[in-house]
Amino acid sequence: DQQVKQNSPSLSVQEGRISILNCDYTNSMFDYFLWYKKYPAEGPTFLISISSIKDKNEDGRFTVFLNKSAKHLSLHIVPSQPGDSAVYFCAAKNAGNMLTFGGGTRLMVKP
Amino acid sequence: NAGVTQTPKFQVLKTGQSMTLQCAQDMNHNSMYWYRQDPGMGLRLIYYSASEGTTDKGEVPNGYNVSRLNKREFSLRLESAAPSQTSVYFCASSERGWGEKLFFGSGTQLSVL
Repeated sequence: DQQVKQNSPSLSVQEGRISILNCDYTNSMFDYFLWYKKYPAEGPTFLISISSIKDKNEDGRFTVFLNKSAKHLSLHIVPSQPGDSAVYFCAAKNAGNMLTFGGGTRLMVKP
Repeated sequence: NAGVTQTPKFQVLKTGQSMTLQCAQDMNHNSMYWYRQDPGMGLRLIYYSASEGTTDKGEVPNGYNVSRLNKREFSLRLESAAPSQTSVYFCASSERGWGEKLFFGSGTQLSVL
């Protein structure tokens, strides 16, 4: 049973608009959450993270929101750019344990 | 500024053949990992090495073996390849054990016929 789920396999957004990628988890012991971005033929690269003691973390155009009661996190990209087109993986962990990744969401930003 | 280097980039095997995937990092990281990526399944951990001289099983270790040759290198071996091992394999490293920020190589596309 997948502990981290990304229920939308793909998302298409117009350039300049907001992209919202969602992720749900089941393990209430997870205390750290991350987003990775992956371009074709490349490995994933770290994008942004959030600790469970926070509910929001911003880095430029990227903001991650954490709703612990709903066991839900989301990544907002504003404004979206064509170069943001990639596969986005959310991941979660608890202290001393391995990262658990979601299945990924393919974002396509149309010019 | 190589980071994590994996070889080969592509490989086709016949069922039952063996091969070793090589991985090296030049960031002086302590921990190294092998993941496989399958459609809709995300990245699943095969084996990891928290530090030089130690290795541990991850989520999907069956059919694989690993060697942490030194601090820089971590190899993954398929002794008798099966079609179920067709996947994209990623090596990663982090500064410390279960350091949150992993640095990934560019992957090996493996097909087992």
